[in-house]
Amino acid sequence: DIVMTQSPLALPVTPGESASISCRSSKSLLHSDGYNYLDWYLQKPGQSPQLLIYLGSNRASGVPDRFSGSGSGTDFTLKISSVEADDVGVYYCMQTLHTPRLTFGPGTKVDFK
Amino acid sequence: QLHLQESGPGLVKPSETLSLTCSVSGGSVTRTYFYWGWVRQPPGEGLEWIGSIYYSGNTYYSPSLDNRITMTLDTSNNHFSLDLRSVTAADTAVYYCARLAPLEMLRGIPFYWSFDLWGRGTLVSVSS
Repeated sequence: DIVMTQSPLALPVTPGESASISCRSSKSLLHSDGYNYLDWYLQKPGQSPQLLIYLGSNRASGVPDRFSGSGSGTDFTLKISSVEADDVGVYYCMQTLHTPRLTFGPGTKVDFK
Repeated sequence: QLHLQESGPGLVKPSETLSLTCSVSGGSVTRTYFYWGWVRQPPGEGLEWIGSIYYSGNTYYSPSLDNRITMTLDTSNNHFSLDLRSVTAADTAVYYCARLAPLEMLRGIPFYWSFDLWGRGTLVSVSS
């Protein structure tokens, strides 16, 4: 089974500043097709999760361009270029290499200082 | 617009079976290449994938739950269901149903899926 880890687990941020979250997988998520099989989701307080990034770096429909995903293999990063109030919540990475068998990371809670 | 809605008892006794249904409106559960899944979240904790069922009815379960779980697709009523047997307090969680949609295709064949739509979730507590 692929194990996903994230750091930090809690990230206090200042509005307008940038923020980065790291996600690591126990196995390379770089498929032979050249794509990285990783998603990022945001769960806002009291809401269901929503898809932000797929294929490691593709923004989902309607996701602001202040969100960006990068990385390859076992190391990935989600960056928020200028954090806004609406970005508070818990961010999860999820491996999709073994779709439909999926694994989430533990989550990173982002809130304001 | 497609909508997912979980339903089922909010309280289940230990050792009994937790049964949930996800009603799908605005689209068909038999739509080609789509999976339907269950994800749970214990109070104050993270997300855990439970299982997925393909439009054809093929099922895929989390190894940690494989011997207690059954997922089914009801094409007549356009919903899919989850049965989790022999529950304990550790199964107390918010249970979400979600659609695993093909986001990327190659020559008309999907190769990448993500959870693009979620239900609002339903809290199930296991207690006597």
